[in-house]
Amino acid sequence: AQKVTQAQTEISVVEKEDVTLDCVYETRDTTYYLFWYKQPPSGELVFLIRRNSFDEQNEISGRYSWNFQKSTSSFNFTITASQVVDSAVYFCALSEAGQAGTALIFGKGTTLSVSS
Amino acid sequence: DVKVTQSSRYLVKRTGEKVFLECVQDMDHENMFWYRQDPGLGLRLIYFSYDVKMKEKGDIPEGYSVSREKKERFSLILESASTNQTSMYLCASSLALATYNEQFFGPGTRLTVL
Repeated sequence: AQKVTQAQTEISVVEKEDVTLDCVYETRDTTYYLFWYKQPPSGELVFLIRRNSFDEQNEISGRYSWNFQKSTSSFNFTITASQVVDSAVYFCALSEAGQAGTALIFGKGTTLSVSS
Repeated sequence: DVKVTQSSRYLVKRTGEKVFLECVQDMDHENMFWYRQDPGLGLRLIYFSYDVKMKEKGDIPEGYSVSREKKERFSLILESASTNQTSMYLCASSLALATYNEQFFGPGTRLTVL
């Protein structure tokens, strides 16, 4: 069965600290896709990144970086030098290939609070 | 700019009322989805549609129905609202065929059933 686990329910950091959000997934498919979304207090989910199962290359985008390791079924997200504007709920999600219209399977989310 | 809009940000209804939540996307996406978000439970899929007049049940379809008469519009219907349907409802859309395409979300409707 497909499953996404975000073990950290809440994380609190002080501005400029680095923080890593963990994501562990389960799937039987060899082809699948992983996503991270951000949900700020306004409520709208914002797409951050997509990764397919054949691409284990890590990615960096500004202060954001993602570490994908198939060996441990993990897709962790690191924010470097956190800012107050990073405060949000972050969701990791999984999608399996091969079926039109397949929905995303979301983890329960990690609430990140960054204080000044 | 891509856009998914939902008819209301906040809605208050009474138990037993029939409730319509509307979602419109302007990206010509084939797929549309309705999720429910509750604290500690994340997002759970209620229904999705991959074409006009087509629908598929998600993980928690009980107490809900949907309608997709036009490609850009996907409606969620609570036939007889109950207090346990108080929640945040999120609509999303994506392109067809390739499941790796990201979903675009609307701002959400926070529904309270009294």
